Amino acid sequence: DIQMTQSPPTLSASVGDRVVITCRASQSINNWLAWYQQKPGKAPKLLIYKASTLQGGVPSRFIGSGSGTEFTLTISSLQPDDFASYYCQQYSTWREFTFGPGTQVDIK
Amino acid sequence: EVQLVESGGGLVQPGESLRLSCVASGFTFSRSWMSWVRQAPGKGLEWLSNINEDGSEKYYVDSVKGRFTISRDNADNSLYLQMNSLGDEDTAVYYCARVSPAAGPDYWGQGTLVIVSS
Repeated sequence: DIQMTQSPPTLSASVGDRVVITCRASQSINNWLAWYQQKPGKAPKLLIYKASTLQGGVPSRFIGSGSGTEFTLTISSLQPDDFASYYCQQYSTWREFTFGPGTQVDIK
Repeated sequence: EVQLVESGGGLVQPGESLRLSCVASGFTFSRSWMSWVRQAPGKGLEWLSNINEDGSEKYYVDSVKGRFTISRDNADNSLYLQMNSLGDEDTAVYYCARVSPAAGPDYWGQGTLVIVSS
């Protein structure tokens, strides 16, 4: 089984800050990694797939990078709409998908 | 426009069964893998199951193997999750999602809430 970890679990930041969230896989997943944003009471929204490809309509301040086992999601300049929870997910094998535990981004 | 609409959630007692449905529109359902994902109150996302285009391949997370069954009806653009022997730990919002070959789960429904309680 592929395990996913994320850090930090919570993050307090201000509008305009650069925010970095890290995701690690227990084994290589090449670049089969997605990032989701979720707001309370809403379904997750796909932000980035294949580690660094921006989903259509997603602002360019969201930047994904990494490959193998280590990945990052960077929000270059945090906006009010970005306060939410963020999850990474591996889909290297379609026999099992795995989500990271999530990172909650709060207002400082 | 891709749309996924789940239904079938509700309040059930421990040990009971429930069948969730997800109706798809706006894409060629019969050519897409589909997933079920759940989220317990205040917790993270948990992948539950995948099914391939024609239903011949099905995969489950260990925690629901033997209790949950994923299925689909391509004639009705519908995905199902049969849940048996429900326990308190199954209380969650259940989402269906389309799986894209490049992006993994890309479109999600709004979710349906299942509460298991006596």
